[in-house]
Amino acid sequence: ELKVEQNPLFLSMQEGKNYTIYCNYSTTSDRLYWYRQDPGKSLESLFVLLSNGAVKQEGRLMASLDTKARLSTLHITAAVHDLSATYFCAVDFISSNTGKLIFGQGTTLQVKP
Amino acid sequence: DVKVTQSSRYLVKRTGEKVFLECVQDMDHENMFWYRQDPGLGLRLIYFSYDVKMKEKGDIPEGYSVSREKKERFSLILESASTNQTSMYLCASSSPSTNRKGQFFGPGTRLTVL
Repeated sequence: ELKVEQNPLFLSMQEGKNYTIYCNYSTTSDRLYWYRQDPGKSLESLFVLLSNGAVKQEGRLMASLDTKARLSTLHITAAVHDLSATYFCAVDFISSNTGKLIFGQGTTLQVKP
Repeated sequence: DVKVTQSSRYLVKRTGEKVFLECVQDMDHENMFWYRQDPGLGLRLIYFSYDVKMKEKGDIPEGYSVSREKKERFSLILESASTNQTSMYLCASSSPSTNRKGQFFGPGTRLTVL
């Protein structure tokens, strides 16, 4: 079964702290995407990870991909309130032209002052 | 930048009505997708299309149909709306030539069926 699992599903943290969100997937893939969703809004692309060992960083967020472990991480450094949102990872399992993605359940991040 | 637009941000309909949700993208993308999003259930794929007039069922197609007569437009149809179809509906598009960029999402339509 094609599965993408995120953990934790909910994360409440203090400003200034570091934390990591994990995204595990069930079978071979070399394309993984991270999206952000603000409450009541749509999904916005954050990172595209296309090969084993890929690392992307933007501001306080850093994403990495380990295709051998079938694991991606989204690391938050010195969290600020503006990072409060729901974060989704998504995997392209099928090397075809359909572009179909399997999404994780989402991790809701709440950063408290 | 890719732009995906949806016809309405908020929609209120009555049970039994036929409902059309429209999605338009301006980047000549071949692939288009309809999802629904409900609290605690994440994103669930309803239908997708990889070419004009081509469609494939996603994970939860029951109660929905789609139409793709033009490349830029993908419509989701609720033949007879029911209260359990109250949800946030998200449209997305992508292209095989730029699949590596993933999917681009529209702003969403929050549908309430009374």
